[in-house]
Amino acid sequence: NAGVTQTPKFQVLKTGQSMTLQCAQDMNHEYMSWYRQDPGMGLRLIHYSVGAGITDQGEVPNGYNVSRSTTEDFPLRLLSAAPSQTSVYFCASSLLAGGYNEQFFGPGTRLTVL
Amino acid sequence: KNEVEQSPQNLTAQEGEFITINCSYSVGISALHWLQQHPGGGIVSLFMLSSGKKKHGRLIATINIQEKHSSLHITASHPRDSAVYICAVISGGNQFYFGTGTSLTVIP
Repeated sequence: NAGVTQTPKFQVLKTGQSMTLQCAQDMNHEYMSWYRQDPGMGLRLIHYSVGAGITDQGEVPNGYNVSRSTTEDFPLRLLSAAPSQTSVYFCASSLLAGGYNEQFFGPGTRLTVL
Repeated sequence: KNEVEQSPQNLTAQEGEFITINCSYSVGISALHWLQQHPGGGIVSLFMLSSGKKKHGRLIATINIQEKHSSLHITASHPRDSAVYICAVISGGNQFYFGTGTSLTVIP
C-alpha cells in the first residue's frame, strides 16, 4: 500500500491564482480530511469527508473547496489564492469517521502565495 | 480560544531520562490521539485513547476523562525520540482539534 499520497510537495502561487492539491489513499478508508499547519498554531481542520459524495466544513473552510467523487481521492481547491493561505497542508484518512480509528497522514504540501 | 493546551512547549532532555508531556482539553470528547511529527515534517499516529492507559514499547499514554487531561510518557529517552508531539481530540462527531505541539530534543 502507498498509504496517503499528496501532490505536489511544494508549490508557489501568485495572489489570485487557483490550484488543486491532490490527495489519494489506497486503504479503502471512508474518512478523509484536509488540515493546514501554521507556525505557532496547531493543525486546523479545513474540510472533511465521511464517504464518497459527502463533504463538510471544518474550522477554517473559507477560500477552499473540496469534492469526494470516489473513495480514494479527496482534492482540495484553492479558488483565488491569498497570502494568508501560505501554509503547509496535510491530508489524512482513517478507516471510519468518529475518531476511534488511527489517522494516516500524507507527507504534506508546502504552499507559498506571493 | 484553544480547545487543547499542551505543556511544555519545548523540552530538552538527556538521553535515558523519563519524559512527560501533558495535554489538557476543554471540550467533551469521544477520543484523544497522540501524534508524532518528525523533523522532516511527516506525521504518524502513536496512540488513540478513550479511557485508561496504553503502552507501546517505551511510550505510555494515559487519559483521565473526569479531569480532561492526558499524558504521554517516554521511558529511557533516546535521540531518535526527538520530534514534535501533538495531542488531538475529537469532539462533536468528526471535528478534530489539535494542540500546538511539544518540541522534544533528546541530547546524547
